Amino acid sequence: AQSVTQPDIHITVSEGASLELRCNYSYGATPYLFWYVQSPGQGLQLLLKYFSGDTLVQGIKGFEAEFKRSQSSFNLRKPSVHWSDAAEYFCAVGGRNTDKLIFGTGTRLQVFP
Amino acid sequence: DTAVSQTPKYLVTQMGNDKSIKCEQNLGHDTMYWYKQDSKKFLKIMFSYNNKELIINETVPNRFSPKSPDKAHLNLHINSLELGDSAVYFCASSLSDRAANYGYTFGSGTRLTVV
Repeated sequence: AQSVTQPDIHITVSEGASLELRCNYSYGATPYLFWYVQSPGQGLQLLLKYFSGDTLVQGIKGFEAEFKRSQSSFNLRKPSVHWSDAAEYFCAVGGRNTDKLIFGTGTRLQVFP
Repeated sequence: DTAVSQTPKYLVTQMGNDKSIKCEQNLGHDTMYWYKQDSKKFLKIMFSYNNKELIINETVPNRFSPKSPDKAHLNLHINSLELGDSAVYFCASSLSDRAANYGYTFGSGTRLTVV
């Protein structure tokens, strides 16, 4: 079955600390992977995506993610979190030429000053 | 210059009523979607249209009826609203129906509350 698991429902970090949000996927073919961010009351904004090539991808707002095929993971990282990063983060997976994305249940990030 | 716009942003209505949510995109994308986000933030696809043609129709009560008058618009009409319909409904668009090749652009959502 195709699925995305985000094991952490809620993460709290201090401003300036590093961040890693976990994402594990189950997909029968080569996965196309995405991270989206949802700020309160807003829609989802694409942070970054991975299709092929270099397994470390850079995104907007200083985020990066690393694809590890052996671990079926696509974890999101940021070296230094800002208060404005507080939001809900969603990992999603699809396959080449597939017609929809499958989303994880999200991780809520809280940032303390 | 909003890319994907939904109206209304908030909708509060009584059980049994009929309501519509409208979505428009100015990106020139071919494919549009409706997603439902429940109270636990889970996102579930409902429908998608490619160039006005229905291509995805998930297991959704037939009280929900999408309509796409042209490829820039996708509306969602809901009949006989029930308490369980309360959720945030997101419209999204993609360059083509091969959504995973491009990802989605989302609207800001419509929070529907049925009382």
